[in-house]
Amino acid sequence: EPEVTQTPSHQVTQMGQEVILRCVPISNHLYFYWYRQILGQKVEFLVSFYNNEISEKSEIFDDQFSVERPDGSNFTLKIRSTKLEDSAMYFCASIRKRTDTQYFGPGTRLTVL
Amino acid sequence: AQSVTQPDIHITVSEGASLELRCNYSYGATPYLFWYVQSPGQGLQLLLKYFSGDTLVQGIKGFEAEFKRSQSSFNLRKPSVHWSDAAEYFCAVGLANAGGTSYGKLTFGQGTILTVHP
Repeated sequence: EPEVTQTPSHQVTQMGQEVILRCVPISNHLYFYWYRQILGQKVEFLVSFYNNEISEKSEIFDDQFSVERPDGSNFTLKIRSTKLEDSAMYFCASIRKRTDTQYFGPGTRLTVL
Repeated sequence: AQSVTQPDIHITVSEGASLELRCNYSYGATPYLFWYVQSPGQGLQLLLKYFSGDTLVQGIKGFEAEFKRSQSSFNLRKPSVHWSDAAEYFCAVGLANAGGTSYGKLTFGQGTILTVHP
């Protein structure tokens, strides 16, 4: 069964550094998402991406964040200058059409020191 | 804005006992409803979903959920819990308005941690 993959599984970085989290969505999917989950809290929507542009973003997704689909398979989340409060599990998800079930990747745990 | 409430932060049951996890949502139209399960350090696995039709939906691992529009609820049930069901369970809502501007984002509840005693 096809699945969403994410790399790395765990990223440790220093405050102020840039990080890029990578996701490979399911190949025929068209809508892509990033969510995050701070330890002990609920999963929060960050951004959705369709047709090579952001379709919706939350208030969390400020100028420090950006997303890109650099080729036909990868979907990346960049945090320009990480803060301690960016430490969280970041999940990528994708769907083929809007009314489908979202398939989630296993997540990247980001630790900012 | 849509919201999801899971009133129970932590539930403990004995193995073999029945289980019901509560979920209430707030949304003006008919939402898409999901239950996901997350084991420690793992990703989110879909248990079941409701889009339309029969309000009682069956999922994996013997779980079921019932959509009750009048109560704005989508409670998850299992008749007999197994020790391997211990995990955190998240209810989530997605928009059903295909003409809207929201491209399928999900809003999650706080989660319910399930502990199973032998």
